[in-house]
Amino acid sequence: EAGVAQSPRYKIIEKRQSVAFWCNPISGHATLYWYQQILGQGPKLLIQFQNNGVVDDSQLPKDRFSAERLKGVDSTLKIQPAKLEDSAVYLCASSQNSGGAGETQYFGPGTRLLVL
Amino acid sequence: GENVEQHPSTLSVQEGDSAVIKCTYSDSASNYFPWYKQELGKGPQLIIDIRSNVGEKKDQRIAVTLNKTAKHFSLHITETQPEDSAVYFCAGGGSTLGRLYFGRGTQLTVWP
Repeated sequence: EAGVAQSPRYKIIEKRQSVAFWCNPISGHATLYWYQQILGQGPKLLIQFQNNGVVDDSQLPKDRFSAERLKGVDSTLKIQPAKLEDSAVYLCASSQNSGGAGETQYFGPGTRLLVL
Repeated sequence: GENVEQHPSTLSVQEGDSAVIKCTYSDSASNYFPWYKQELGKGPQLIIDIRSNVGEKKDQRIAVTLNKTAKHFSLHITETQPEDSAVYFCAGGGSTLGRLYFGRGTQLTVWP
């Protein structure tokens, strides 16, 4: 079974530019998550989708971050405009069902973003 | 929200020795505690998890224990090997949808 795919793997941009990340979850997984992992820290949830609906976006900085999951499969995460503190690894994860308590989350390799 | 703390931040052991990583959590409603291994340049990979109705779980050289009363859980790796070298994250969840709260990670180095 193919895992969670993400692209690009690396991205370098200047502050105030925009950037987009793409995620393809494990086939058939209903729930998709985007996490931000700052160097030296654990991942922090930004947004959770179940199918194409947002379940939890309470930690998403909505003034600059946006995400969508059209057709309930692939997802994109966008930052516009980027700030220096957005430098991090952006991880996508998926889980099979509703994403409820205790459901195993499978992570992709991440996109490493550096904002100069 | 939940707060998960993890110790130590770095751990060095000799090959064949045991390694123990400890985590505490604050939300008594949390009921799911996974452990992830993250190798350089890769995403976190689930290695073992435990739910609050179980006190201990073992999978070959890896075991996890949970003390709900004290709100702490631990990862035990026996007979460590160089390929166990990685960053290990504990997490807690279950009180808020699928949200997982991660510790800050432990860099484990196993010396041959």
